[in-house]
Amino acid sequence: DGGITQSPKYLFRKEGQNVTLSCEQNLNHDAMYWYRQDPGQGLRLIYYSQIVNDFQKGDIAEGYSVSREKKESFPLTVTSAQKNPTAFYLCASIESVVNTEAFFGQGTRLTVV
Amino acid sequence: AQTVTQSQPEMSVQEAETVTLSCTYDTSENNYYLFWYKQPPSRQMILVIRQEAYKQQNATENRFSVNFQKAAKSFSLKISDSQLGDTAMYFCAFDLGANSKLTFGKGITLSVRP
Repeated sequence: DGGITQSPKYLFRKEGQNVTLSCEQNLNHDAMYWYRQDPGQGLRLIYYSQIVNDFQKGDIAEGYSVSREKKESFPLTVTSAQKNPTAFYLCASIESVVNTEAFFGQGTRLTVV
Repeated sequence: AQTVTQSQPEMSVQEAETVTLSCTYDTSENNYYLFWYKQPPSRQMILVIRQEAYKQQNATENRFSVNFQKAAKSFSLKISDSQLGDTAMYFCAFDLGANSKLTFGKGITLSVRP
């Protein structure tokens, strides 16, 4: 079955460490997105990528980095520069210009300990 | 820049009743897409309904329908015959298409009472 997979589901990080969240899709979608979800804040866009080897900053990119070396993969690195990284992170993909329905992964809950 | 506003943080409805969730947006563009997404307690985001701005007819999907008022930049979701499984957070979202930024509102928590 086609879908979008995020791993791990839960992640714990010590302060000062970088950590990478995985996002893989086998839907052959062009665009991929990373969102951060905090209580009362809705979904805020971190980074997005429309094609391989290209990506754009979203509204809250500081302290995060991404890569898009393959169409199916869009990993997110939370760096030590991110001051408040504890949050729920969602990855999404969209097929194309024509079909703009977003498909989401099940999310990763990151906790800084 | 596009913005999406959901001003009601929480709502409650009796099972089998009808409820309307509000959403307003701001854009200078003429062509765009609007969505309502549902996030149940499992936190898996699910598309409920979508509306293309160039279509005058309001979208419907079974018990879910929208009231799209383009001039007022309003996009409300009506849930008829509410069911316990409708309990979730609902997000309004906006997209210009062409793989642009998909922008979400802050969401509203809907509780359906038995």
